[in-house]
Amino acid sequence: QKEVEQDPGPLSVPEGAIVSLNCTYSNSAFQYFMWYRQYSRKGPELLMYTYSSGNKEDGRFTAQVDKSSKYISLFIRDSQPSDSATYLCAMTETNDYKLSFGAGTTVTVRA
Amino acid sequence: DAGVIQSPRHEVTEMGQEVTLRCKPISGHDYLFWYRQTMMRGLELLIYFNNNVPIDDSGMPEDRFSAKMPNASFSTLKIQPSEPRDSAVYFCASSLPSGSQYFGPGTRLTVL
Repeated sequence: QKEVEQDPGPLSVPEGAIVSLNCTYSNSAFQYFMWYRQYSRKGPELLMYTYSSGNKEDGRFTAQVDKSSKYISLFIRDSQPSDSATYLCAMTETNDYKLSFGAGTTVTVRA
Repeated sequence: DAGVIQSPRHEVTEMGQEVTLRCKPISGHDYLFWYRQTMMRGLELLIYFNNNVPIDDSGMPEDRFSAKMPNASFSTLKIQPSEPRDSAVYFCASSLPSGSQYFGPGTRLTVL
């Protein structure tokens, strides 16, 4: 079993819909949780960064962490065609620089 | 400020040849990471450096792979000899201590 599980999709939604992405993990020592966005043939770029449990909102993006369930989510409101990309979750322990990545979910927002 | 710079962007080589990938991290970043991304295995950490010193190379697949960081602004990942199964996109990333990792555009390697 992988340390971080993420459904690879693909996920296709109409423009304006809410996109819901999630990851589960097995390592209870993970404290830092990130979401990266990767456009085709580009490097991943950091989208959201959360420490421990709770919610974080940034514009149309909301990240949620539930450490008790070992479950993290990313919501994209009012999705746009420009949101079409692969979204990767990543996480790490305190004082550890090694990120554990999920497989990535490919999202397509249809105009 | 420029982001992480990688070269070449694309590399096509024949099995058995030596391949050298290059990376220039963001100025001031103390940490440098080399990743490999494939469809089958996703994004995998190969090795990372702190202040030019290799800290963890447990992800380096075989002795055919080696990485160096001679100074704070340059790192190389070398594969010698290359094999078709090494075909992948190789990313370099850099970060500040306890900071987020910033990725370069990647080098797409094809070994024939």
